[in-house]
Amino acid sequence: GESVGLHLPTLSVQEGDNSIINCAYSNSASDYFIWYKQESGKGPQFIIDIRSNMDKRQGQRVTVLLNKTVKHLSLQIAATQPGDSAVYFCAERPNSGGYQKVTFGTGTKLQVIP
Amino acid sequence: DTAVSQTPKYLVTQMGNDKSIKCEQNLGHDTMYWYKQDSKKFLKIMFSYNNKELIINETVPNRFSPKSPDKAHLNLHINSLELGDSAVYFCASSQGARSRVETQYFGPGTRLLVL
Repeated sequence: GESVGLHLPTLSVQEGDNSIINCAYSNSASDYFIWYKQESGKGPQFIIDIRSNMDKRQGQRVTVLLNKTVKHLSLQIAATQPGDSAVYFCAERPNSGGYQKVTFGTGTKLQVIP
Repeated sequence: DTAVSQTPKYLVTQMGNDKSIKCEQNLGHDTMYWYKQDSKKFLKIMFSYNNKELIINETVPNRFSPKSPDKAHLNLHINSLELGDSAVYFCASSQGARSRVETQYFGPGTRLLVL
């Protein structure tokens, strides 16, 4: 079936470096993508989203890139900080009309090394 | 002010028992969700209600029964608990399932351990 997945289950990054978390999706009908951050013991928290009519969207220290040709999504975190340590999920929603559920990927754990 | 709240935060119980988890959101959202997160952190949707109407019902054992008394509340009742039900259950809400803005706001989770 359709799925959303991640290439790297764990990513270790030195504090101050940039982080790149990747996500592959297979549902070509998806038109909306979201990145969530889940800190230990907490619920997922929205970071940034992007619609399929865009290739790039920037937030505060975060950038999401969307490559529809290869069905790839990435989250870039600039100047990674210890507080960025968390599990990051990409999620996608198909545009098929009616009520559509958001499907979450398997998650990538980001470890920031001080 | 807590946007999405769940009770209890921790729930330890014996196999075969019946338990409920409650969820409330004060965001004025129309849509609420229940997710199950397993030990590998995989998040899977279970149910979704839009303004008290069930709109998403994934392949979940019928021991799980959601109830939405009003659009600000979505409770989850589980009958005859099994070991495999042990997980973290998250409630979430969003503006509306048909809305172009699909940001979901998650509660803190309920950690269920079935012994």
